[in-house]
Amino acid sequence: EIVLTQSPATLSLSPGERATLSCRASQSVGGYLAWYQQKRGQAPRLLLYDTSNRATGIPARFSGSGSGTDFTLTISILEPEDFAVYYCQHRSNWPLTFGQGTRLEIK
Amino acid sequence: EVQLVESGGGLVQPGGSLRLSCAASGFTFSSYWMHWVRQAPGKGLVWVSRIDGDGSYTNYADSVKGRFTISRDNAKNTVYLQMHSLRAEDTAVYYCARDLKVTNWFDSWGQGTLVTVSS
Repeated sequence: EIVLTQSPATLSLSPGERATLSCRASQSVGGYLAWYQQKRGQAPRLLLYDTSNRATGIPARFSGSGSGTDFTLTISILEPEDFAVYYCQHRSNWPLTFGQGTRLEIK
Repeated sequence: EVQLVESGGGLVQPGGSLRLSCAASGFTFSSYWMHWVRQAPGKGLVWVSRIDGDGSYTNYADSVKGRFTISRDNAKNTVYLQMHSLRAEDTAVYYCARDLKVTNWFDSWGQGTLVTVSS
């Protein structure tokens, strides 16, 4: 099973700042990584898939990069609605697994 | 508009059974793989199971293999998760999720249904 480790566990920033979230895989997942956003009390929402492809309706301030074992989600200019928990997920093999999440909170 | 509505959750004793349903609308259901993903209270997301469009192929997390069965009725636009031999650690919100066109990414999610396993 591929283990995805996200860092930091919590990120405290202010609106208008840039956010950089990391996801590291225990073995290569190629480019097969996605990012989800989950707000409190809501279902997750797909943000990016295959490392850097934005899902339908996702603003351009969300971008992704990386390959192999190291991936990054960047939010260029934080909006108030971006404060949430973010999860990475791979689809390289079975079982599909998620990272433990990074909580992005308002500083 | 894509809609996924889960039902069937509730309180069940350890060792008991429960069947979850997920009613889909707003898309050609039979053309999409479907998944179940769960989230224990205050914890992260865990993938549970996947079924292909006609129900021929399924996959399961090791933690539920042999206890849970995923199935679908394309005439009713519904996917199911039959759960047996439930344990306390199965307590979670269970989400059904639509696959992003044969990719194992989850592009639409239901609101979830809570399963609580407790005596």
